[in-house]
Amino acid sequence: GQNIDQPTEMTATEGAIVQINCTYQTSGFNGLFWYQQHAGEAPTFLSYNVLDGLEEKGRFSSFLSRSKGYSYLLLKELQMKDSASYLCAVKGYSTLTFGKGTMLLVSP
Amino acid sequence: SQTIHQWPATLVQPVGSPLSLECTVEGTSNPNLYWYRQAAGRGLQLLFYSVGIGQISSEVPQNLSASRPQDRQFILSSKKLLLSDSGFYLCAWSGGQGFISYNSPLHFGNGTRLTVT
Repeated sequence: GQNIDQPTEMTATEGAIVQINCTYQTSGFNGLFWYQQHAGEAPTFLSYNVLDGLEEKGRFSSFLSRSKGYSYLLLKELQMKDSASYLCAVKGYSTLTFGKGTMLLVSP
Repeated sequence: SQTIHQWPATLVQPVGSPLSLECTVEGTSNPNLYWYRQAAGRGLQLLFYSVGIGQISSEVPQNLSASRPQDRQFILSSKKLLLSDSGFYLCAWSGGQGFISYNSPLHFGNGTRLTVT
């Protein structure tokens, strides 16, 4: 089975940098995804990691360490619109299992 | 480009009534299709997935069922709704070819917010 842990809530200030961590235990691993979900909306795809290291995509970066079962999402130059829930998801043998999400609140 | 349509956006149904939610995908063939549910304060829970017409895998025991009558159509149904069926239902698709496309992300529809009263 899969077990995914991430903090429930985080707060940060506009313009700052925030790191959202995710740890996982899985019986099979075929990649880790990060999604953003605004309140009342569907999740949207942010990033994908399957090899160790950092993937950068604009203001967002995602890191993976398979040996540690650990990933983080790094958000730079925070904007008010970044206030959302961030979901960590692990691809097992056949399906994607989601964590409960981290609610990020960005304040002025 | 690929698009996914899911309807209705919101639904209020009494306990014991039937349910039918429909999802269609355009712009791709032989997608993998999924139904997820997100209850208040909980994560996304996978309910069903399908790799082809008539092929349905169920992840959790429940009073819901799914069908895939056409390649790009996925339907979620119930004969009698329970209060616990309330939640945000999301249809999603990913690249096909079984699960070879490991890096193909899920693309979600806009969701259906179901309230069972």
